[in-house]
Amino acid sequence: NAGVMQNPRHLVRRRGQEARLRCSPMKGHSHVYWYRQLPEEGLKFMVYLQKENIIDESGMPKERFSAEFPKEGPSILRIQQVVRGDSAAYFCASSVGTRGSEQFFGPGTRLTVL
Amino acid sequence: GENVEQHPSTLSVQEGDSAVIKCTYSDSASNYFPWYKQELGKGPQLIIDIRSNVGEKKDQRIAVTLNKTAKHFSLHITETQPEDSAVYFCAASIKAGGTSYGKLTFGQGTILTVHP
Repeated sequence: NAGVMQNPRHLVRRRGQEARLRCSPMKGHSHVYWYRQLPEEGLKFMVYLQKENIIDESGMPKERFSAEFPKEGPSILRIQQVVRGDSAAYFCASSVGTRGSEQFFGPGTRLTVL
Repeated sequence: GENVEQHPSTLSVQEGDSAVIKCTYSDSASNYFPWYKQELGKGPQLIIDIRSNVGEKKDQRIAVTLNKTAKHFSLHITETQPEDSAVYFCAASIKAGGTSYGKLTFGQGTILTVHP
């Protein structure tokens, strides 16, 4: 299966805990995008990364949220001190970058904050 | 920034009928317009896309049209089937020069229900 992989698929955290969401892009893809989908809403852009670089973080909340895409390993979206409003589905997408435009999405991580 | 409006929010059709979903965008620099289908509990699946140098694109029962002057684009599904029932999202993006495509700005989604 060469699709975008995300784990965990479901994550439950209590208020104040940290959440770590992982995304492995499709083989050959070096660009990763993170989106958030609140219940009954569309997807909202959060951050766009290439290997070891943040290209666009204009959709990322200023506090508690961070993202990385290291040289080796998956991209990580980290949410510190989670609050109930962080409960949502978080989707990762990947693309080949300059040679292509299509973004392919993973199955998402559904975060529930108790 | 870019803003994408999508209509209708819900659409109910009989099997075999056609379905049309419309989107408008605000940023004239947008030049890439994909459509995604999302089934319950799953990630969005790219079903068709169009670039700004093309006015229409067709893939079997699905077609997309783009009017750059009016800044709107539409998804057309013909001969609908119950398995077409899902949430459909339009989106817009910008590719600037030699750089890669940036973020997608999504519409609010259309819940399509195809009745057998």
